[in-house]
Amino acid sequence: SQTIHQWPATLVQPVGSPLSLECTVEGTSNPNLYWYRQAAGRGLQLLFYSVGIGQISSEVPQNLSASRPQDRQFILSSKKLLLSDSGFYLCAWTQPRTGHRIGELFFGEGSRLTVL
Amino acid sequence: AQSVSQHNHHVILSEAASLELGCNYSYGGTVNLFWYVQYPGQHLQLLLKYFSGDPLVKGIKGFEAEFIKSKFSFNLRKPSVQWSDTAEYFCAVNANGNQFYFGTGTSLTVIP
Repeated sequence: SQTIHQWPATLVQPVGSPLSLECTVEGTSNPNLYWYRQAAGRGLQLLFYSVGIGQISSEVPQNLSASRPQDRQFILSSKKLLLSDSGFYLCAWTQPRTGHRIGELFFGEGSRLTVL
Repeated sequence: AQSVSQHNHHVILSEAASLELGCNYSYGGTVNLFWYVQYPGQHLQLLLKYFSGDPLVKGIKGFEAEFIKSKFSFNLRKPSVQWSDTAEYFCAVNANGNQFYFGTGTSLTVIP
C-alpha cells in the first residue's frame, strides 16, 4: 500500500533562517506531488506541484521554492524565512492523469511552521 | 486558474438535522470534483468524488453530492448529521491539468 510521510511535524524558526520540509511517498512510482499551505479561513493554497523528477510548477510567487531530486521525494525550501511564511504545510500525491481522470489526492500529516 | 467558492464558512447544526454545503467553481470545461473532510486532529481524507456519469455521487458515511453543470455547483448533502460529523469540509476542483484547487472550507459543528 502507498504511504506518504512529511517531516518535521513541527518547526519553529527565526526570521531570516533557511527552511527545508521533506516529503516522501512509498509504494508507488512516478506520482504527481504537491505542496499546499493551509491557513484558517483561507482553505488550501496550492504552492507547487511536480509531475516528474526535476519538474516543478509554481502556482504563486513567494519566498519559497520546491525541488524533486528523486521520483518520490519532494522538498519545500526557503533561503530566508519571513514572518508571513508561518503556517501549516501539506504534502500530497496522486496518480498521474489518464484521459480526463486524475486520481484523488492523498495527504501527509502536515508540518506546522512558526516563524518568530 | 480555476476558483472554488464555499459560501458557508461556519455551520452549526443539531444532531439529526439535514446538511447542505455549497460549492461553486469557475471553470467551464470538463471538471473532476471532490469533497474532502478533515476531522479534528486528523489529516485530510476523501469524502467523495465525481468524474463523469451519474451527477449524484454517494460517498462515505452517508454523504452525497450533486453535480449541476449548468450552475457550476457541487453541493454536499447529508440527510441526518451526527456529532461525529463535526469537521472541516473542503470542496476541490481539478480541470484539464494536474492542479487541484480547493475552496476556503466550511467548518461544521454538530451539537448533540
